[in-house]
Amino acid sequence: NAGVTQTPKFQVLKTGQSMTLQCAQDMNHNSMYWYRQDPGMGLRLIYYSASEGTTDKGEVPNGYNVSRLNKREFSLRLESAAPSQTSVYFCASSGQGLETQYFGPGTRLLVL
Amino acid sequence: EDQVTQSPEALRLQEGESSSLNCSYTVSGLRGLFWYRQDPGKGPEFLFTLYSAGEEKEKERLKATLTKKESFLHITAPKPEDSATYLCAVQAGTGNQFYFGTGTSLTVIP
Repeated sequence: NAGVTQTPKFQVLKTGQSMTLQCAQDMNHNSMYWYRQDPGMGLRLIYYSASEGTTDKGEVPNGYNVSRLNKREFSLRLESAAPSQTSVYFCASSGQGLETQYFGPGTRLLVL
Repeated sequence: EDQVTQSPEALRLQEGESSSLNCSYTVSGLRGLFWYRQDPGKGPEFLFTLYSAGEEKEKERLKATLTKKESFLHITAPKPEDSATYLCAVQAGTGNQFYFGTGTSLTVIP
């Protein structure tokens, strides 16, 4: 039982390049989330998916797109990376109702 | 607007020196309050969930409490391995979103 996995662990991009961050969970959770974490800003929600087939914007969605590929997988795409998107990205999942979120190990992204 | 505020931002304790971290919230329809521990370079790790005022949860040297306006994470006789950032989050209303505070960075000095 791996929990929540993320790939890649670390990535360097040039401004304007695109990339997709992958996330998968093996806990049969309905809800999945993408956050970014910046110093002094805490965790900010980018997008979330309450269930397979649905996605909703969070607090900071601009510059990102997501795909809920199936119940297990939720990907985050940067179409044209900008230096302001340098951050640590965390994927999380949770079950129904009041269940807690479980987080992946994070992807560290540097945009030059 | 829903808000979660944690204090202090940073806390340095001597080993064995007990203290408390605070998480205050202004949300409508609190459904749950969550505490996480985050070590450098890792994702947040779940500690506790509290659902209603008056509830308390304990785990080793940590005890979490909840009132109608805030939650406390009490650390009794901390050890250096308790050093980490402690995050608080709330889930409110009918949505699935979690709202996070900015965390308290705890350092326990041997």
